[in-house]
Amino acid sequence: DIVMTQSPLSLPVTPGEPASISCRSTQSLQHSNGYNYLDWYLQKPGQSPRLLIFLGSNRASGVPDRFTGSGSGTDFTLKISRVEAEDVGTYYCMQSLQPQLTFGPGTKVEI
Amino acid sequence: QVQLVQSGAEVKKPGASVKISCRVSGYPFNIHDIQWVRQAPGQRPEWMGWINAGNGTTQFSKKLQGRVTITRDISAATVYMELHNLISEDSAVYYCARSVVILPGAWGHWGQGTLVTVSS
Repeated sequence: DIVMTQSPLSLPVTPGEPASISCRSTQSLQHSNGYNYLDWYLQKPGQSPRLLIFLGSNRASGVPDRFTGSGSGTDFTLKISRVEAEDVGTYYCMQSLQPQLTFGPGTKVEI
Repeated sequence: QVQLVQSGAEVKKPGASVKISCRVSGYPFNIHDIQWVRQAPGQRPEWMGWINAGNGTTQFSKKLQGRVTITRDISAATVYMELHNLISEDSAVYYCARSVVILPGAWGHWGQGTLVTVSS
């Protein structure tokens, strides 16, 4: 199975400043169609996860443009250009290339 | 709009089974797969399996294969996940989810979650 790792696991942030989370996989997530099957989710306490980015770099509907996903193969990054207070929570990456879908351990973002 | 509404919290004894429903609305039921994901307290989400709502094909995580079944009732636009032979480690919040596009991931629609507590 593909193992997902994230860094850092805890990220103190300052409103208005940028932030970045890294996600790595043990195998390439690039499909033969050229797309990378990597999603980013944000989960706040007591809530269901919310899709932010799919296929590595596609922003989901309603997601602010301060969120950007990038990367290819085994290395991916989620960047927040200017953190807002509402961005706190735990961020997870997830691969969907292989049938056994797997999540990263999560990065807890706190103000 | 697309909605996934799950059944309520459950308390079960070890060795019992639990069956959770996920009623969908706002789109043609047979178009999208429905995923099941669970999350134990303080842990990352864990993918459990999916069902093709159109033809009923299923796929499960290797870890849960043999203990989990996923079925659907087309007339009720509802998907069911049943987990058998419960152990304490199965205590978690269980979610159903659906993609925003025809992809294995990109789960932009989620149910509200169902808390399952396994305790003697």
